[in-house]
Amino acid sequence: QKEVEQNSGPLSVPEGAIASLNCTYSDRGSQSFFWYRQYSGKSPELIMSIYSNGDKEDGRFTAQLNKASQYVSLLIRDSQPSDSATYLCAVGSGSARQLTFGSGTQLTVLP
Amino acid sequence: SQTIHQWPATLVQPVGSPLSLECTVEGTSNPNLYWYRQAAGRGLQLLFYSVGIGQISSEVPQNLSASRPQDRQFILSSKKLLLSDSGFYLCAWTGPVDEQFFGPGTRLTVL
Repeated sequence: QKEVEQNSGPLSVPEGAIASLNCTYSDRGSQSFFWYRQYSGKSPELIMSIYSNGDKEDGRFTAQLNKASQYVSLLIRDSQPSDSATYLCAVGSGSARQLTFGSGTQLTVLP
Repeated sequence: SQTIHQWPATLVQPVGSPLSLECTVEGTSNPNLYWYRQAAGRGLQLLFYSVGIGQISSEVPQNLSASRPQDRQFILSSKKLLLSDSGFYLCAWTGPVDEQFFGPGTRLTVL
């Protein structure tokens, strides 16, 4: 059984701070890793993908991957109230490129 | 560019009634397609995936079924809905590097 674990939160940070979201996964054969943002009542939106160990930066977002520790994280710098959402970690594996999702971390950025 | 459509957007159905949800993708050919369900406040549960016309794989036992009659059409069905079938149903397709993109979703309430 492939599992993806996230801190359920909720996580609150003040505006302008760094938000740190963490995720661990059980399947060592996983090859692809994603972060999705989901606003209340909406479908998930892809914000970051990472495939190799290390850091990947895109604007205010940085994804970090450590395959040896089976750990993925997402940093959001200069957090804004518009970043308030649920963040879903997803891990890819399998011949049909299936994704296994974590239960999500609810982030609130306080003005 | 690729677009994914789902309908209806919302649906209220009595227990025991049939269900048909439709998903269509534009702008790509032979995509992998996926059906997910998200219960209130929970992560995404993969229900079915398809790698081609007529090819359906089920991830969890349930009273739902799926079909792929055309390359870019994916249908989720049930003959008799249960209360536990309530949720947010999401269709997704896979991009070139395993990332998945979601449709707008169908919110189903079974009464």
